[in-house]
Amino acid sequence: DIQMTQSPSSLFASVGDRVTITCRASQSIINYLNWYQHHPGKAPKLLIYAASILQSGVPSRFSGSGSGTDFTLTITTLQPEDCATYFCQQTYSTQTFGQGTKVEIK
Amino acid sequence: QVQLQESGPGLVKPSETLSLTCTVSGGSVSSDNFLWSWIRQPPGEGLEWIGYIYYTGTTNYKSSLKSRVTMSLDTSNNQFSLRLSSVTTADTAIYYCARFTRTGIMRSDYWGQGTLVTVSS
Repeated sequence: DIQMTQSPSSLFASVGDRVTITCRASQSIINYLNWYQHHPGKAPKLLIYAASILQSGVPSRFSGSGSGTDFTLTITTLQPEDCATYFCQQTYSTQTFGQGTKVEIK
Repeated sequence: QVQLQESGPGLVKPSETLSLTCTVSGGSVSSDNFLWSWIRQPPGEGLEWIGYIYYTGTTNYKSSLKSRVTMSLDTSNNQFSLRLSSVTTADTAIYYCARFTRTGIMRSDYWGQGTLVTVSS
């Protein structure tokens, strides 16, 4: 299985801050990388697919980049409603997930 | 708007079979554009893909779970189901159903909110 290593596991940031989360694959996955937002008790929400394509309806403050083994999710101006857990998913070979990053407001 | 909702017992005894159903609204499980997936998250751990089923009935299961997993479709009720046999405490998890888009870069574009299944005597 392809291993996905996500960092950090948690972070504190202020409203308006720029937040960056990274995901590293154990082998090249080209751009078969998706990012999700998960609020507790709710259905996970697709934010970014194919590493950098914004899912319809997702605010433009979310962006994704990377290819091969290293990927980044960026929130340019953190909003209170962005407090959630974010996780990556590779679909190059079946699918595996990062361990998640919990984003909290300072 | 597509919605998925998991249902089933929240408590299962060790060695018995876990059975869950996912009801889909706003879309059809008979569509050839999607795979219907099950994913789980044990307490304090990351997400684990269990498998998926296609509208033809074709399935693909995670290799380590293959001997215990069965997925099925009920097109008349627009549902799909998971059965996991011979459960142990290690199968305690939140179980999610999800729609997996198979066109272009595959991604899970809609998920259920998850249901906690505890394995305990």
